[in-house]
Amino acid sequence: RKEVEQDPGPFNVPEGATVAFNCTYSNSASQSFFWYRQDCRKEPKLLMSVYSSGNEDGRFTAQLNRASQYISLLIRDSKLSDSATYLCVVNQMDSSYKLIFGSGTRLLVRP
Amino acid sequence: NAGVTQTPKFQVLKTGQSMTLQCAQDMNHNSMYWYRQDPGMGLRLIYYSASEGTTDKGEVPNGYNVSRLNKREFSLRLESAAPSQTSVYFCASSDAGTADPGELFFGEGSRLTVL
Repeated sequence: RKEVEQDPGPFNVPEGATVAFNCTYSNSASQSFFWYRQDCRKEPKLLMSVYSSGNEDGRFTAQLNRASQYISLLIRDSKLSDSATYLCVVNQMDSSYKLIFGSGTRLLVRP
Repeated sequence: NAGVTQTPKFQVLKTGQSMTLQCAQDMNHNSMYWYRQDPGMGLRLIYYSASEGTTDKGEVPNGYNVSRLNKREFSLRLESAAPSQTSVYFCASSDAGTADPGELFFGEGSRLTVL
């Protein structure tokens, strides 16, 4: 079983749609969680951290369910510019060098 | 503001050849990393350097060596390239120890093909 699992997609949605991605992780001792965004043939960039209480940044909402060991990302009012691959990242220790990356979920937003 | 700079961006090698990927960051970060990314797989850590003067193996270190030349620079060497090392390589840095240790800053990637 992969340590961090994501549905590879692609999720193909119209502009304005709401889309949700889920990610599951296997190590219950994982400490911190993140979503990164990666545009085609570009480097990953941090989108947002995921806090236990859930957090929101504009159209993006991230939630953590420690009991079920999953993380979610909700994108409301999708824009064409949201088209990218979204990487779920889990930090198994309180240290950058233990980051485990999921293989990503691809989102295509169509006009 | 350059951030993390990697060279070369593209390289084609023959099996058995050697090469070095160069990485430099100008953010005064302590930690630097080398990842590889293959289709259908997440980024996998090859080596990391928590601070100047230290290096440690990651998940997939076989076939690679690294050098943390100074605080700014972290190079990755393939001594005898193999087709299985065909991949996209990303260098990253972070200011590990800050309130958000998970934020890595990546270079643009180096696309390596081994024939």
